[in-house]
Amino acid sequence: DSGVTQTPKHLITATGQRVTLRCSPRSGDLSVYWYQQSLDQGLQFLIQYYNGEERAKGNILERFSAQQFPDLHSELNLSSLELGDSALYFCASNLGGGVGNEQFFGPGTRLTVL
Amino acid sequence: SQQGEEDPQALSIQEGENATMNCSYKTSINNLQWYRQNSGRGLVHLILIRSNEREKHSGRLRVTLDTSKKSSSLLITASRAADTASYFCATDARAGFQKLVFGTGTRLLVSP
Repeated sequence: DSGVTQTPKHLITATGQRVTLRCSPRSGDLSVYWYQQSLDQGLQFLIQYYNGEERAKGNILERFSAQQFPDLHSELNLSSLELGDSALYFCASNLGGGVGNEQFFGPGTRLTVL
Repeated sequence: SQQGEEDPQALSIQEGENATMNCSYKTSINNLQWYRQNSGRGLVHLILIRSNEREKHSGRLRVTLDTSKKSSSLLITASRAADTASYFCATDARAGFQKLVFGTGTRLLVSP
């Protein structure tokens, strides 16, 4: 158990809908990272937050947005969903702050868009 | 797009044998990390090697890094059935905040 929690575990929805994925980092971690894992794109970095502020952006679509709240939990919002958005979404956390170190991954949310 | 290409894509061995996975990447890095993923689950960090290091050990794991060739290898010695998983290398190129870029992964199957 990494100490990172994600909810929900599974999400099935229809095209055009909007969903919110939630992540609680390990106690004491200030950085949260979001990743998407799909069969065709592999594991892709989406976005990083550090202590409430966006710090790095990857291959995140404009239909997707995220935020980190004062209690450090984070939410990833996916809107106008398409079939191709079906994937595993992981969040990870670490202390952050610019020092390269390991990331602790949550169990993921499996999103299925029908 | 992915930074790393891993080779082989899949590897099948018997318990007790060694498993070697290779990772090649494209740009300069600050460090390279290896992660393991059991089917459909979250990734677990295995080992981190910094750009000024050439070799690192952790239990049955040995990682090498050749920055001139932009490549790394992960060796698992005396493999066990429980080592069956996918293994990913991830490069960290930023000097500041992290932005890990993952490779394509190697699926390892260890048969009893």
